[in-house]
Amino acid sequence: QVQLVQSGAEVKRPGASVKVSCKASGFTFSRYTIHWVRQAPGQRPEWMGWIHAGNGNTKYSPNLQDGVTFTRDTYATIAYLELASLSSEDTAVYYCARGVAVTGNYYFDYWGQGTLVTVSS
Amino acid sequence: DIQMTQSPSSLSASVGDRVTITCRASQSISIFVNWYQQKPGNAPQVLIYAASSLQRGVPSRFSGSGSETDFTLTISSLQPEDFATYYCQQSYSIPLTFGQGTRLEIK
Repeated sequence: QVQLVQSGAEVKRPGASVKVSCKASGFTFSRYTIHWVRQAPGQRPEWMGWIHAGNGNTKYSPNLQDGVTFTRDTYATIAYLELASLSSEDTAVYYCARGVAVTGNYYFDYWGQGTLVTVSS
Repeated sequence: DIQMTQSPSSLSASVGDRVTITCRASQSISIFVNWYQQKPGNAPQVLIYAASSLQRGVPSRFSGSGSETDFTLTISSLQPEDFATYYCQQSYSIPLTFGQGTRLEIK
């Protein structure tokens, strides 16, 4: 079955960086886009962007601050999210999700369990 | 950015009730709307895609309708497991955006 399993919770100091992983299984990784969505406490989800797992093309939300990078390892079927220069505003649960396109409409049919990143001094 | 505004923000209902949640887009987005259910501590799960298509495995008591700027999610007969927060999401243009959520509580 399709699974996206994310790395564990992280606590970081302001100014540090963090790398979150998303291990995919149960489907052909290279055929899909992997999206990153974050959700601050009590807030709506915020879409961050996607990476095409096959060709590595990326699309970032124009609302993101600098310091966000999506990468992937096609052989290990893992997608990564790296956040640099963390601030308290980056405290959130970060989700990876598989993107599906149906007649031009994009939605997320499988999600990882989420990774809580806490930024605190 | 396209703004998605849901109403109501919260709703109290009883098991067996019929419930409708609405979502309005700040511009016309055809049928590029999806609906998700989120329970505390869990990731969102898709219910409806492309405004009215039921995701495989989702109970048929969930339905969606609408086009252009106005969309609705209907639950025909509430079950205990349906008490959760619901989000609409548009995929018409980048950045993809979500509504602020509708929290469905037990009356």
